[in-house]
Amino acid sequence: QVQLQESGPGLVKASQTLSLTCTVSGDSISSGGYYWSWIRQHPGKGLEWIGYIYYSGNTFYNPSLKSRITISLDTSKNHFSLKLSSVTAADTAVYYCVRERWDWSFDLWGRGTLVTVSS
Amino acid sequence: NFMLTQPHSVSESPGKTVTISCTRSSGTIASNYVHWYQQRPGSAPRNVIYEDNQRPSGVPDRFAGSIDNSSNSASLTISGLMTEDEADYYCQSYDSTTQVFGGGTKLTVL
Repeated sequence: QVQLQESGPGLVKASQTLSLTCTVSGDSISSGGYYWSWIRQHPGKGLEWIGYIYYSGNTFYNPSLKSRITISLDTSKNHFSLKLSSVTAADTAVYYCVRERWDWSFDLWGRGTLVTVSS
Repeated sequence: NFMLTQPHSVSESPGKTVTISCTRSSGTIASNYVHWYQQRPGSAPRNVIYEDNQRPSGVPDRFAGSIDNSSNSASLTISGLMTEDEADYYCQSYDSTTQVFGGGTKLTVL
């Protein structure tokens, strides 16, 4: 059974960099066939796609966040990571790591982790 | 970029049928797949329809997706409503530059 688990600080100071890691169990990121994505949800709001990485290292980012995002992967640890720089209160959200299929649907979600940006 | 517009909320009684629409602002709805997600309070979203009208394993056949080219919209229809269907529902699609979610529809089963 494939599972995704987010980890990282729940509190980040404004202007600093938010860093999260998603550990994948039950499947290998290197096996291909899927994209590994990040999606966030502001409190009480809808879903926002952040970006994805493929096992080859190719990335694709939301244009509205592109200048602040880095998504990377570590195949030896079977995890992928998100860095979001220069955060503000507007980046306070639940962050989900998600497995994305070739048809651009999101078929497997982590439980999500709340990140709060403090001033 | 395009937007996907959903009604803010819908409500219906148990046993009835409800349809949630998702209208694409620009570009053709049929040009890219539409997927649907259910999110119960306090939980992560769950895919209930992919590729416009396909159900993932484990999703009951009470859930159905469709596309209407004339209105440039997609729809999620849930029949035989159950109280457990009460949740937020999101449509999602994409183009060559990004992936977009609708704003979500709160379904109340009363």
